[in-house]
Formats: sequence, structure tokens, C-alpha cells
Amino acid sequence: DTAVSQTPKYLVTQMGNDKSIKCEQNLGHDTMYWYKQDSKKFLKIMFSYNNKELIINETVPNRFSPKSPDKAHLNLHINSLELGDSAVYFCASSHWDRGATDTQYFGPGTRLTVL
Amino acid sequence: KQEVTQIPAALSVPEGENLVLNCSFTDSAIYNLQWFRQDPGKGLTSLLLIQSSQREQTSGRLNASLDKSSGRSTLYIAASQPGDSATYLCAVIPVRNQGGKLIFGQGTELSVKP
Repeated sequence: DTAVSQTPKYLVTQMGNDKSIKCEQNLGHDTMYWYKQDSKKFLKIMFSYNNKELIINETVPNRFSPKSPDKAHLNLHINSLELGDSAVYFCASSHWDRGATDTQYFGPGTRLTVL
Repeated sequence: KQEVTQIPAALSVPEGENLVLNCSFTDSAIYNLQWFRQDPGKGLTSLLLIQSSQREQTSGRLNASLDKSSGRSTLYIAASQPGDSATYLCAVIPVRNQGGKLIFGQGTELSVKP
């Protein structure tokens, strides 16, 4: 009974391709996130969705397009992949409470390698 | 702009030692602070969350404190074990940023030697 799951776990692709990463949570949370962890292991927020509505878009190139079909899912589509997109992408979810959130639960990560 | 710093970047201790990991943040206007653990090649596991109104939280051998006015938090690990070896991350949610955005430190890589 995985709380936050991501697919695929590993993704290796060529520059210029388009790829998607899927995320699902079964915790009943109303807020979901995408974070990027770079080669130096630094984690940074990319997007946040609350009740399927985008609330954070953290100066991410518009090649990255998140989509939330429902509260339990937040997918990330990346167009025209570049070498610099190589990283580990983490999905997370939490309960929203008065503008802040409770504990955030993270998925296992998707390691994207662009060749 | 909120920045989070963790010291030291790496720490190696013999099994059984008590140890302290440090986290500092530049803006005291935070909703809460979370400590996470990340094992190599794995996701993040939440260890403790301290709300801005709280001073500390405890879970088993872990104790986290928060001094919001000075912009500091510490994670105390008692009687360390080899299984505690991992990277420990501190993160805050700033009041001025809506949306639950966590701002992370760089992490402390802990190695506990048997």
C-alpha cells in the first residue's frame, strides 16, 4: 500500500525527445508537488497543485507542463528534453491547511538521464 | 529571500555516539520546519515536523528543536546506529510564499561506523 508512487523509476532518453512522469497518491491529500534534485543533491520545488489548481510555478521552463487530472494524480510532461534536465524528480503530497501544509510525503523519485 | 543552510555537510561517527545536526534559515517568518532522511537512491522520509509555535518534537531517538527568532533548528540523534547512516535534510515553509513550498538545505551526510 504505497502512499506516493511514481512511474517510471528510471528514464533514459535522447535529447529533443518528449517524456512524461506519472505520480499518484492514495493518502487522500489535496495538494501535490514536483521537486527536482540536481546532481549536487539540492532539492528545489518546481510546481504545486491544490485541488487540481496550479498554485506554484517556480520559474520552470515552459517545456515542463504539469497536469492534474484529479486530486490523486499529478503528472509531469517534458518537451524537447535537454542535457540539463537530467536529475531526479520527486513527487510529493500533503494536506493543505490555511495557506500552509502539513507533513509532505515524498515518492521514490524518477531518475531522468538525457543523453 | 529565504535560504537554508546545514552544517556540517558530512559527518562520520562511531556507533553509539550522540550527535547533533544543525540547520539555519535566514527569514524567521516560517509556517513550519521539517527534517527528512534520504537513503541513497531513495526518496525522502519525513522524520519530524515542528510548527512555528512549537519549540521541539521527539520521535524515538530523535529530537528536533526550533528557535525561530534566531533562525535555527537542531536534530539530535541519541545512541547512533549504523542504520542511521543517510543524508538528513532540513526544510522550511516560508510564510511569505504561498502554496506549501518547501525550501531545503543542502543536507548533512551522516555515516555511523560499526
